[in-house]
Amino acid sequence: EVQLVESGGGLVQPGGSLRLSCAASGFTFNIYELNWVRQAPGKGLEWVSYIGDSGSSRYYADAVKGRFTISRDNAKNSLYLQMNSLRAEDTAVYYCAREAENYYGMDVWGQGTTVTVSS
Amino acid sequence: QSALTQPASVSGSPGQSITISCTGTSGDVGGYNYVSWYQQHPGKAPKLMIYDVSNRPSGVSDRFSGSKSGNTASLTISGLQAEDEADYYCSSYTSSSTYVFGTGTKVTVL
Repeated sequence: EVQLVESGGGLVQPGGSLRLSCAASGFTFNIYELNWVRQAPGKGLEWVSYIGDSGSSRYYADAVKGRFTISRDNAKNSLYLQMNSLRAEDTAVYYCAREAENYYGMDVWGQGTTVTVSS
Repeated sequence: QSALTQPASVSGSPGQSITISCTGTSGDVGGYNYVSWYQQHPGKAPKLMIYDVSNRPSGVSDRFSGSKSGNTASLTISGLQAEDEADYYCSSYTSSSTYVFGTGTKVTVL
């Protein structure tokens, strides 16, 4: 079964750091591009970051640029999001999502992990 | 990176057709045929319904269709069913090599 499973969410104080992980299974991980997408409580989806299949291409939303770093370990079939200098507005459910192989669209999503930034 | 504009809510009776609009700019929706649509039920992860403006992934009902004209994309749901009640989001690739989502539309089946 094709699956993405996020972990690492939790409660963190403003200014703190957190590292999210996304474990992939059921597909050839190293040929797929990946994204992080978040959803604040009661709000819409917001694209956060993208990484290419080899990890050499990375893009970020302006809201997180300079604070978040996306990375992947193809040997471990894992995607990561290092989040530093966290703010209250970063509070959200964070989803990892697979970019489809032959078209533009996120065809597989994880169940999400919740990040709460609060003192 | 402003969100694409969608109506906050759309409603229809079972069997009817509804259309959700998604308005962007020439830097996203208007500049690329890379618009996708996602369905999200409460407490669940989004599900891809349409990709590349008008294509359906395997397993998605043919009651869902997409189109685009200029800077506005649209999702049409035909033969509305109770299970279609959910939030819907459009998304587009952008000229900055990033993605942008729409503001989201709540579909209510009356």
